Amino acid sequence: QKEVEQNSGPLSVPEGAIASLNCTYSDRVSQSFFWYRQYSGKSPELIMSIYSNGDKEDGRFTAQLNKASQYVSLLIRDSQPSDSATYLCAAGGISNFGNEKLTFGTGTRLTIIP
Amino acid sequence: DTEVTQTPKHLVMGMTNKKSLKCEQHMGHRAMYWYKQKAKKPPELMFVYSYEKLSINESVPSRFSPECPNSSLLNLHLHALQPEDSALYLCASSQGRLETQYFGPGTRLLVL
Repeated sequence: QKEVEQNSGPLSVPEGAIASLNCTYSDRVSQSFFWYRQYSGKSPELIMSIYSNGDKEDGRFTAQLNKASQYVSLLIRDSQPSDSATYLCAAGGISNFGNEKLTFGTGTRLTIIP
Repeated sequence: DTEVTQTPKHLVMGMTNKKSLKCEQHMGHRAMYWYKQKAKKPPELMFVYSYEKLSINESVPSRFSPECPNSSLLNLHLHALQPEDSALYLCASSQGRLETQYFGPGTRLLVL
């Protein structure tokens, strides 16, 4: 069973601090990785995509990918109360039935404390 | 524009009803998806259409029937659902099957 694992949290971070979200995946041939933010009762919203080893920055968000360690992370700098949400990690790869699909982690609930 | 639209936003149906969920995208994406999401769980893939052909059916019960009339539209036909089918139903689209998926706002379904 190909899996994406995340710490479910809740993760509490003071406002203005850095929030660090982590994700590991089991499928070594995964090629694409995504972080989605989901507010309660809403649909997932793309935050970052990353395909190559290293860091990718977009505003306050930095995604980090290490394929050798099968590890993806998301850093949120200068955390704001509006960042409080569930963050879903997803990996794109080949399913057990040979289909291309995204596998989602169970999500990490992040709370930013004012 | 990365908009995927879904109708209706909310749906309440009895176990004997037939209803349809609709999804539309105008981004020229060739892959479209249906997901089911229960509270505090990640999205669970149901169906994938690629170039208007059904490419993945994740062993979904036959009371859910997908349809892709054209490259911009995706329907999910519902019949004889069970209360445990109550969930948020999400549509998504992407350029390719391993590329970024953009989600619609979802349809909140309640089966009584």
